[in-house]
Amino acid sequence: DTAVSQTPKYLVTQMGNDKSIKCEQNLGHDTMYWYKQDSKKFLKIMFSYNNKELIINETVPNRFSPKSPDKAHLNLHINSLELGDSAVYFCASSQAMLGGAGNGYTFGSGTRLTVV
Amino acid sequence: AQSVTQLGSHVSVSEGALVLLRCNYSSSVPPYLFWYVQYPNQGLQLLLKYTSAATLVKGINGFEAEFKKSETSFHLTKPSAHMSDAAEYFCAVSEGTGGFKTIFGAGTRLFVKA
Repeated sequence: DTAVSQTPKYLVTQMGNDKSIKCEQNLGHDTMYWYKQDSKKFLKIMFSYNNKELIINETVPNRFSPKSPDKAHLNLHINSLELGDSAVYFCASSQAMLGGAGNGYTFGSGTRLTVV
Repeated sequence: AQSVTQLGSHVSVSEGALVLLRCNYSSSVPPYLFWYVQYPNQGLQLLLKYTSAATLVKGINGFEAEFKKSETSFHLTKPSAHMSDAAEYFCAVSEGTGGFKTIFGAGTRLFVKA
């Protein structure tokens, strides 16, 4: 049973389109994250939600909008896709409270987004 | 502000040789430190973590890391490399307050030669 699952695994789309990536975790964690990994493997945090509340919103274009309907789900919607959005997007979760920063993350397997 | 520097974007070792991947951190408060491994086309997997208990931390797959506050380092080692260790390794730091943000290093690609 997958702990953090993302769908879809691959996404190829044209510039200007709107797309969504979904993430679900069954670990009972209270915090979820979106990270972007570029072609050089650099990982950059985009957003974080703690119990459905947005707590981290890094310098990300407004075209990116996260939504967390409950603490087990965190989705990412991207409007007007651009070539530079091509990357691997990772969802992760952690139990940030009651143990805090030392718990580490559990990552999903990633969504490879290719904008053509 | 916290940051992580991994020395060497690529490291190559022979099978059976010592693996040493270097990581230095910067943090304004006592940090939590992590090493993650990423195999091709997969997500990151937690190898080990330092949370202010023992300074020598043992992880999965025979890896260990030592926290040295005076050197602000958290280097990852494994006594004997195996072909299956070939992967990308990331050092990461998060601060104790809140702990919602983890900053990752640029990664080190480990190659293992037969």
